[in-house]
Amino acid sequence: DVVMTQSPLSLPVTLGQPASISCRSSQSLVHSDGNTYLNWFHQRPGQSPRRLIYKVSNRDSGVPDRFSGSGSGTDFTLQISRVEAEDVGVYYCMQGTHWPKTFGQGTKLEIK
Amino acid sequence: EVQLVESGGGLVQPGGSLRLSCAASGFTFSSHWMAWVRQAPGKGLEWVANIKQDGSEKYYVDSVKGRFTISRDNAKNSLYLQMNSLRAEDTAIYYCIRDGGAYWGQGTLVTVSS
Repeated sequence: DVVMTQSPLSLPVTLGQPASISCRSSQSLVHSDGNTYLNWFHQRPGQSPRRLIYKVSNRDSGVPDRFSGSGSGTDFTLQISRVEAEDVGVYYCMQGTHWPKTFGQGTKLEIK
Repeated sequence: EVQLVESGGGLVQPGGSLRLSCAASGFTFSSHWMAWVRQAPGKGLEWVANIKQDGSEKYYVDSVKGRFTISRDNAKNSLYLQMNSLRAEDTAIYYCIRDGGAYWGQGTLVTVSS
């Protein structure tokens, strides 16, 4: 199985400051169809996860533009340009290129 | 508006069975892969199973192969997960999702305990 490794696992951030989460995969996530199926999700306490980013860098509908995704191959990053209070929770990366689809361990973002 | 509503969770003894259902609305159900993802209490996310639009292809994570069966009824806009030979480690919230994870249900809790 493809192992997804996120860092850091805990991320204390001051309101208004930027934040960055790294996600590395144990194999290349480039699919034979040329796409890279790397998604990012956000889960608030007591809620279902919500997808923020799909195929590395595409924001889902309604996702604020302070969220951005980048990367290629095995190395990916989620960036928040200015953290707001509603951004607290756990962030997961997920690869959909190889079966079984696998998630990272999660990164817990909290406000300092 | 896309809606996915799971049902069927509950408390079951080890070795028992449970059938989860997911009622879909707000989109053309028969046009999309569907999946089940689970989350053990206080833990991360695990993809459990996938099913193609017409049900002709199904994939399972190794830990549930031979015990769980994913199925769908496109006429009823419904997704199912038949879970047999349940173990304590299957205890989790089970989410119905439209493949790719664009949409998630609220989840249904399955507890396997004696």
